[in-house]
Amino acid sequence: NAGVMQNPRHLVRRRGQEARLRCSPMKGHSHVYWYRQLPEEGLKFMVYLQKENIIDESGMPKERFSAEFPKEGPSILRIQQVVRGDSAAYFCASSPNTGTGEYYGYTFGSGTRLTVV
Amino acid sequence: AQSVTQLDSHVSVSEGTPVLLRCNYSSSYSPSLFWYVQHPNKGLQLLLKYTSAATLVKGINGFEAEFKKSETSFHLTKPSAHMSDAAEYFCVVSVKAAGNKLTFGGGTRVLVKP
Repeated sequence: NAGVMQNPRHLVRRRGQEARLRCSPMKGHSHVYWYRQLPEEGLKFMVYLQKENIIDESGMPKERFSAEFPKEGPSILRIQQVVRGDSAAYFCASSPNTGTGEYYGYTFGSGTRLTVV
Repeated sequence: AQSVTQLDSHVSVSEGTPVLLRCNYSSSYSPSLFWYVQHPNKGLQLLLKYTSAATLVKGINGFEAEFKKSETSFHLTKPSAHMSDAAEYFCVVSVKAAGNKLTFGGGTRVLVKP
């Protein structure tokens, strides 16, 4: 079990370029959450996805940011036309699909550190 | 809506002395509560979790936390700090009614002096 895999670990982009961050959840997990950590701050929720569905995107900036979790392949967080303020660590977490009210485990990836120059 | 307040942004302790990291939460529903640790430039590691079972929760590396509903607190303790405990610690709340998305506290940075 390889855990939650995020790549790349570090990403440098010039202002105006696009950034694509990938997250492969743990085997058997079909829920993916993306969080952003700005320097010296805690993590902030961005978006919650299940396979082929966006469940909650209340934390996503209205422009330039998008996320998907296709039927096959990793979840992608896409940032278009990056600006310096997008520099942050982006973490992905996954949890198993369960319909009960029991505990939902969260496993985090090691994050992608985006630097916009 | 739920929220988490970590009462200390920085805590400094001497090696071998107790550690106390304070956390208060607010939630309209029965919460699940977690403590995560983040070492510099690393990901998040789960220390322990409370999910409506025993109120005193034991985690990894000698940490434990007590859920006190009357005080809406979930403080993290360790009897004897080790140099490797120097890191940032996050108290986190999750509520099923909110889609189980996690709400993080602002973090407490722990410094351990030799």
